[in-house]
Amino acid sequence: QQQVKQSPQSLIVQKGGISIINCAYENTAFDYFPWYQQFPGKGPALLIAIRPDVSEKKEGRFTISFNKSAKQFSLHIMDSQPGDSATYFCAARGIYNQGGKLIFGQGTELSVKP
Amino acid sequence: DTEVTQTPKHLVMGMTNKKSLKCEQHMGHRAMYWYKQKAKKPPELMFVYSYEKLSINESVPSRFSPECPNSSLLNLHLHALQPEDSALYLCASSRGGQGRNSPLHFGNGTRLTVT
Repeated sequence: QQQVKQSPQSLIVQKGGISIINCAYENTAFDYFPWYQQFPGKGPALLIAIRPDVSEKKEGRFTISFNKSAKQFSLHIMDSQPGDSATYFCAARGIYNQGGKLIFGQGTELSVKP
Repeated sequence: DTEVTQTPKHLVMGMTNKKSLKCEQHMGHRAMYWYKQKAKKPPELMFVYSYEKLSINESVPSRFSPECPNSSLLNLHLHALQPEDSALYLCASSRGGQGRNSPLHFGNGTRLTVT
């Protein structure tokens, strides 16, 4: 059974702090790792994504770090803001795509306190 | 605003009702998806249509019936649902079913309550 394990389940960070969410996978046949951000009452929105031939990708305050040998990847949110409060899902997709099927982590509920 | 539009936003139906959820995208995407999401859980894949043909059915009960009338539209027909089917139903699309760098674009979902 392909799995993506995500931690922590919930996270409270002070405004201006760094939020770190970790994911680990078991199947080496994954080749695309997106992160989705979901606000209450909304659908998930793609935040940032990485492929395993890259160890880090940065977009604004959001950075993905990827460790292929450890089968781990993480999302760092720098200078966290109250507007970043949302649920974050990591995900992985297989090399053979399986028709576009994403394997999601269980989600992290982030709360940024002012 | 999302580029994947879902209607209705909210739906309450009885267990004997028949209703349909609708999804529309005009991004030229050729793969469309239905996901089910329970509170505080990740989305669960239900169906995938690739080039208007059903390519994945994740062993979904027959009381859920998908339909893809054309490349822009996706419907989910509901009949004889159970209270445990209450959830947020998300539609998504991507450029192509086999495209590796083709991210999913989600709609904002239909909040379904079965009474």
